[in-house]
Amino acid sequence: DAKTTQPNSMESNEEEPVHLPCNHSTISGTDYIHWYRQLPSQGPEYVIHGLTSNVNNRMASLAIAEDRKSSTLILHRATLRDAAVYYCILRDVQYNFNKFYFGSGTKLNVKP
Amino acid sequence: EAQVTQNPRYLITVTGKKLTVTCSQNMNHEYMSWYRQDPGLGLRQIYYSMNVEVTDKGDVPEGYKVSRKEKRNFPLILESPSPNQTSLYFCASSLFSSPSSGANVLTFGAGSRLTVL
Repeated sequence: DAKTTQPNSMESNEEEPVHLPCNHSTISGTDYIHWYRQLPSQGPEYVIHGLTSNVNNRMASLAIAEDRKSSTLILHRATLRDAAVYYCILRDVQYNFNKFYFGSGTKLNVKP
Repeated sequence: EAQVTQNPRYLITVTGKKLTVTCSQNMNHEYMSWYRQDPGLGLRQIYYSMNVEVTDKGDVPEGYKVSRKEKRNFPLILESPSPNQTSLYFCASSLFSSPSSGANVLTFGAGSRLTVL
């Protein structure tokens, strides 16, 4: 099963951009890259997903490396509300499409 | 409001006393799943269901049972809880789950914190 590697924690200043990296060197051609985040005392919530091309939505941008072995979640202007644990996961649609594998994620601290 | 509702949110029980954590979604989702979250281990999948009467084991199914008699409900049953099942539990749902649905995203409930003494 393809797995992801993320830094345990990162820190950012409020209103500055944040780049959260994720390595997935064993990704297969059919794996979707999903990002979720978990705010304190809440369930995880969906942020963004992509397959090959970079993606943008109202919450964030997802930059996917050309070889797809890594990706970066970009928060354009961090706010205090963005302090959360961010999970990068792979959705295997070929063999294990019913399973989402969550790692330990990156804990983002946003300083005022 | 589209949501996944779990009950109870908090529960303290004793070893061996059967309990059920309920999960209900109002989005007509086919796919539902249970996770447990423990410090340092992230979220681990317990069971999942692709539709009514279709369930399968996740990565950590031991000590748990599930059923899917209705599309909206997916209860998690602990027949004989033990202290190692003390954890934070999350239920999640998705529109459907198939090889062509890689883009489908999960909606999570708020979580149920269970303590087994």
